[in-house]
Amino acid sequence: AQKITQTQPGMFVQEKEAVTLDCTYDTSDQSYGLFWYKQPSSGEMIFLIYQGSYDEQNATEGRYSLNFQKARKSANLVISASQLGDSAMYFCAMRERRLLAEKLVFGKGTKLTVNP
Amino acid sequence: ETGVTQTPRHLVMGMTNKKSLKCEQHLGHNAMYWYKQSAKKPLELMFVYSLEERVENNSVPSRFSPECPNSSHLFLHLHTLQPEDSALYLCASSQDRASGGSTDTQYFGPGTRLTVL
Repeated sequence: AQKITQTQPGMFVQEKEAVTLDCTYDTSDQSYGLFWYKQPSSGEMIFLIYQGSYDEQNATEGRYSLNFQKARKSANLVISASQLGDSAMYFCAMRERRLLAEKLVFGKGTKLTVNP
Repeated sequence: ETGVTQTPRHLVMGMTNKKSLKCEQHLGHNAMYWYKQSAKKPLELMFVYSLEERVENNSVPSRFSPECPNSSHLFLHLHTLQPEDSALYLCASSQDRASGGSTDTQYFGPGTRLTVL
């Protein structure tokens, strides 16, 4: 079974600084996908960034980048130039293949607080 | 209206009540999902519908009954719930790649925060 581990229950960062949120995964699949979602206090899960297991370059989306180290089975999220609005829960997830539909397995999340 | 919407946003019900949660997606996707998010636990997948057929039922108690009348709408019917069922219920949709779609990112609605008294 696939597993996602987020070892940081909470992280603090100063506004305008960069922060790295850790994610490690375990899978026996050769082809897989890794996702990061942001969940503000309002509850909605907001898709941030995706990395495919065969993608040679690290994914980037604006201020978000994914530090993908396949041999270490890690997919850390880097947020550059933190903003107060970045304060939220962040979840790492892995796509699990199914015959007829995809399934996401989520980690327990990291609560990020951006201080002014 | 765009994205994935859910109603109601908040729901308080007694253990003997019957209620339904509604999810609607405006993204043209063909797969829809129900997740449960309890305090201090990872998101748990409950049900998956692909092309309006249920393809996954993750050992969910029968007091939760999903319904997918078409590819845009998904319901979760609730009856005789327990206090431990209090949680945030999230709906998501995606374009199922098995059906030839090009993306499998799941997009979520804002959730229904359910309290069972």
